[in-house]
Amino acid sequence: DVKVTQSSRYLVKRTGEKVFLECVQDMDHENMFWYRQDPGLGLRLIYFSYDVKMKEKGDIPEGYSVSREKKERFSLILESASTNQTSMYLCASRRTTGVEAFFGQGTRLTVV
Amino acid sequence: DAKTTQPPSMDCAEGRAANLPCNHSTISGNEYVYWYRQIHSQGPQYIIHGLKNNETNEMASLIITEDRKSSTLILPHATLRDTAVYYCIVRVPYGGSQGNLIFGKGTKLSVKP
Repeated sequence: DVKVTQSSRYLVKRTGEKVFLECVQDMDHENMFWYRQDPGLGLRLIYFSYDVKMKEKGDIPEGYSVSREKKERFSLILESASTNQTSMYLCASRRTTGVEAFFGQGTRLTVV
Repeated sequence: DAKTTQPPSMDCAEGRAANLPCNHSTISGNEYVYWYRQIHSQGPQYIIHGLKNNETNEMASLIITEDRKSSTLILPHATLRDTAVYYCIVRVPYGGSQGNLIFGKGTKLSVKP
């Protein structure tokens, strides 16, 4: 089975901290994605990556950056966490020509 | 923005068929219709996809109208475990930003005993 693993299920950070959310997939997928999910707003795309060292902004990139140094790992970075970044973060991966995207279980981040 | 319109919520009795509609009137000729669902506290899960022919797999059936402007996801015998938010998405079947999954609000399906 394809696995997309997010490093933490729950995370609590303080305002101003630098936060790293890690995502690892084990199926050699080229494409990886970071979404955030908020009540009433649904899933919104933050950043995506087509391949190693490649990254593209999604719909809401402000306040975030990403890193993809290895094909299997896609990291989301909050340079200076703010309370409005409290959310559920979901990582996904997919082959470029693949039908199905596979999602991780999500990281619920609370910024206090 | 999402290119699809779905009702915000639906109820279904356990054991009965659940029919979830989706409008995608601006779908392009090379875009497919995909369905995902998200069970509470989990990541979204792929269900089925199609271009213009009806499709069936072990989870569901997908009926796409001849003009491709709408579709219906059918869960033939809904169970309590099918309670979830169901997302209808249109996208091209390849990479690039056009191939990204853009989620709308989805339909919250509640299966009741």
